Amino acid sequence: SQTIHQWPATLVQPVGSPLSLECTVEGTSNPNLYWYRQAAGRGLQLLFYSVGIGQISSEVPQNLSASRPQDRQFILSSKKLLLSDSGFYLCAWSVPPVYTGELFFGEGSRLTVL
Amino acid sequence: AQSVTQPDIHITVSEGASLELRCNYSYGATPYLFWYVQSPGQGLQLLLKYFSGDTLVQGIKGFEAEFKRSQSSFNLRKPSVHWSDAAEYFCAVGAGGDYKLSFGAGTTVTVRA
Repeated sequence: SQTIHQWPATLVQPVGSPLSLECTVEGTSNPNLYWYRQAAGRGLQLLFYSVGIGQISSEVPQNLSASRPQDRQFILSSKKLLLSDSGFYLCAWSVPPVYTGELFFGEGSRLTVL
Repeated sequence: AQSVTQPDIHITVSEGASLELRCNYSYGATPYLFWYVQSPGQGLQLLLKYFSGDTLVQGIKGFEAEFKRSQSSFNLRKPSVHWSDAAEYFCAVGAGGDYKLSFGAGTTVTVRA
């Protein structure tokens, strides 16, 4: 069966520090991968998605970046965190294309920037 | 681009009572519509989805939703809620050929005894 792992689960970082959140999918190949951010009361905002190794599409200009070094690995990074980067980050995968409609979500990473 | 509106931010319902969550979408063609549920501090889980065909869709946990093209709505219902239904519910819309889903802001459901 397929599983998705996301870590760390909780992170407290000072403003200006770097960030690395990692997501790994097991049990499937060539998934579409997604990073969403969930801010309180504001729903889910799609940040990045990837349809293959090295292929990254950015939805919102910001100081975050994403990389996909391996087929089932998706990394969210920042060189210098801002206060506004605080939130709940969710990684998800789907079988391409997304006509099946089901995104499989990880458990999330809660980032607090102080 | 498609968009989703969930008019109700928070709904409180008594255990055993019925529940209806509203969802309105904006999209020029026939959309793909979904409802997801999120328990506190967790990821999201798909409740049900609509692509085509019968406009009344059955999902998991006793939920159903009805697609009404004339009203651009996809409301979620449950006849009798359980305390375990307390969660946040998200409506989402996708477009054919697109890789992305657009989510609404969510509706938080509180169940009182």
